[in-house]
Amino acid sequence: EIVLTQSPGTLSLSPGERATLSCRASQSVSSNFLAWYQQKSGQAPRLLIYGASRRATGIPDRFSGSGSGTDFTLTISRLEPEDFAVYYCQQYVNSPMTFGQGSKVEIK
Amino acid sequence: EVQVVESGGGLVQPGGSLRLSCAASGFSFSNYAMTWLRLTPGKGLEWVSTISGLGDVTYYADSVKGRFTISRDNSKNTLYLQMNTLRAEDTALYYCAKKMFSGYWPLDYWGQGALVTVSS
Repeated sequence: EIVLTQSPGTLSLSPGERATLSCRASQSVSSNFLAWYQQKSGQAPRLLIYGASRRATGIPDRFSGSGSGTDFTLTISRLEPEDFAVYYCQQYVNSPMTFGQGSKVEIK
Repeated sequence: EVQVVESGGGLVQPGGSLRLSCAASGFSFSNYAMTWLRLTPGKGLEWVSTISGLGDVTYYADSVKGRFTISRDNSKNTLYLQMNTLRAEDTALYYCAKKMFSGYWPLDYWGQGALVTVSS
């Protein structure tokens, strides 16, 4: 099973600032089959990024994904008020699919 | 608009049973694999089970194998999770989610979840 470790656990930032979230895999994620999801309190998780860097339908271009192998990054270029949430990475190539423990982006 | 809506959660005693349902709309249900996942404070997000579009292939996490059964009724656009011999560690918020395409693809639509509490 691939273990995904996200950092930091919590990121305290102000609107307009840049957020950088990390996801490290215990072994290489083949073909970069890695996704990022956003979850706000009481809401369904929303797919943001898949294939490590491809934005899902309707996702603003302030969200970007990068990385390969075992190290992946989600960047939010300028935080909007609606971006304060919990973010999860997921690998979907090895069975079972696994998720990171989540990174919370909170308002400073 | 694609929607998936879970129902059937509740409080159940250890050793008891519960069936979750997930009503889907806005897409051709039988063409897509569907997945159940759960979220707990201790373990985070955990994959539980996946079923193929036609319902002929199923997969389970080791933690639920032999106790949970995933199924679907494509005529009703509904996904199910029958949970038997429930344990305290099955307490979680359960989500159903649609797989984007066949093969190695992420989950593109999720429901808001159904809370299952296993306690005496």
